[in-house]
Amino acid sequence: AQRVTQPEKLLSVFKGAPVELKCNYSYSGSPELFWYVQYSRQRLQLLLRHISRESIKGFTADLNKGETSFHLKKPFAQEEDSAMYYCALSASRQISSGSARQLTFGSGTQLTVLP
Amino acid sequence: DVKVTQSSRYLVKRTGEKVFLECVQDMDHENMFWYRQDPGLGLRLIYFSYDVKMKEKGDIPEGYSVSREKKERFSLILESASTNQTSMYLCASSLANYGYTFGSGTRLTVV
Repeated sequence: AQRVTQPEKLLSVFKGAPVELKCNYSYSGSPELFWYVQYSRQRLQLLLRHISRESIKGFTADLNKGETSFHLKKPFAQEEDSAMYYCALSASRQISSGSARQLTFGSGTQLTVLP
Repeated sequence: DVKVTQSSRYLVKRTGEKVFLECVQDMDHENMFWYRQDPGLGLRLIYFSYDVKMKEKGDIPEGYSVSREKKERFSLILESASTNQTSMYLCASSLANYGYTFGSGTRLTVV
């Protein structure tokens, strides 16, 4: 069965410092990984996905299949980055009509960027 | 431009009550999901649906059921609410099986 692990529940950094949010996964198939973010009093939204290899709001994440990791990084944290971050894995699941892919989420990391 | 709407932001119900949580999406998505969000546990999948009148159990379906009579609407039903179902409930929809669009959530308190 697939699993997503975010080892840090809480992470605090100072403004301007680098930040790395860790994510490890276990999945026997071909993984598709995502980062979602939830700012205070806002809905959960997609931050980035590994297949697009893009940088959103200065964040990047590289899929490392050897280490089964998908850590989220930003070189210079900003106060507005304070939020809850979830790593998610899209994996196949058996359903009554065959199989389909769906997201499994990690437990989340609350990032606080201090002034 | 709200695309996934959950009917209630906050809900307080009594133990044993039957509770309906409604979710509507206007993007013509085929896939819809119900998650519960708890501190330290992340998001856990309760039920999902890939088509009208179809439903599949997620990871924690016990105590819940769902209904999808129309493509745009996916309802979560707590047959007999219990205090351990106090949580934030999130609805999501997707066209493919990634790139979910989430609703703003319903915070349910069972007393």
